[in-house]
Amino acid sequence: IAGITQAPTSQILAAGRRMTLRCTQDMRHNAMYWYRQDLGLGLRLIHYSNTAGTTGKGEVPDGYSVSRANTDDFPLTLASAVPSQTSVYFCASSPLDRYKETQYFGPGTRLLVL
Amino acid sequence: DQQVKQNSPSLSVQEGRISILNCDYTNSMFDYFLWYKKYPAEGPTFLISISSIKDKNEDGRFTVFLNKSAKHLSLHIVPSQPGDSAVYFCAASPQGGSEKLVFGKGTKLTVNP
Repeated sequence: IAGITQAPTSQILAAGRRMTLRCTQDMRHNAMYWYRQDLGLGLRLIHYSNTAGTTGKGEVPDGYSVSRANTDDFPLTLASAVPSQTSVYFCASSPLDRYKETQYFGPGTRLLVL
Repeated sequence: DQQVKQNSPSLSVQEGRISILNCDYTNSMFDYFLWYKKYPAEGPTFLISISSIKDKNEDGRFTVFLNKSAKHLSLHIVPSQPGDSAVYFCAASPQGGSEKLVFGKGTKLTVNP
């Protein structure tokens, strides 16, 4: 593994079903993030974690939950999917070095909720 | 209320010419700015950044200019190449690092051969 991996690559999901999007990084970054990208809306932060064991809400957290049991993994769960959660989901990580670093993104998960 | 605005959804330029992508922000607490490039079916990749203590940062063909008084930044690509065709996102952070970035909606750049 090099960088950030996300799984699955794409998924079609029936409304009301539960779904967990997986994200793993091997860079030992402290911070991890989940974004959704929708046409015309750019990237919007769903949840974030500055370090293992802590999480926080972003701009659009409703309907999503996250956990950070260790440094490398940051799964995103949709407890009961709705069609408005159809989107492309990106996981990112950052070492949190001031003024020096940036966020590194995974390849994305394309989710269609019917 | 959109704190980071990219008012041009798309831009088309000829190969070899300059591409100028613009970004405006409203939050005066932002002090670190980044540009990301995104190809279809891939995640965004970091391109270039600038802190508020500077007004210009260069990296090869890419230059970012920051005008704090106008709350405006721009990305210049010279010369533009067809491989530069992508969506470009402007992002800003209020804490000097990369955490809690606020992204613009993106500008789709097309460089025509």
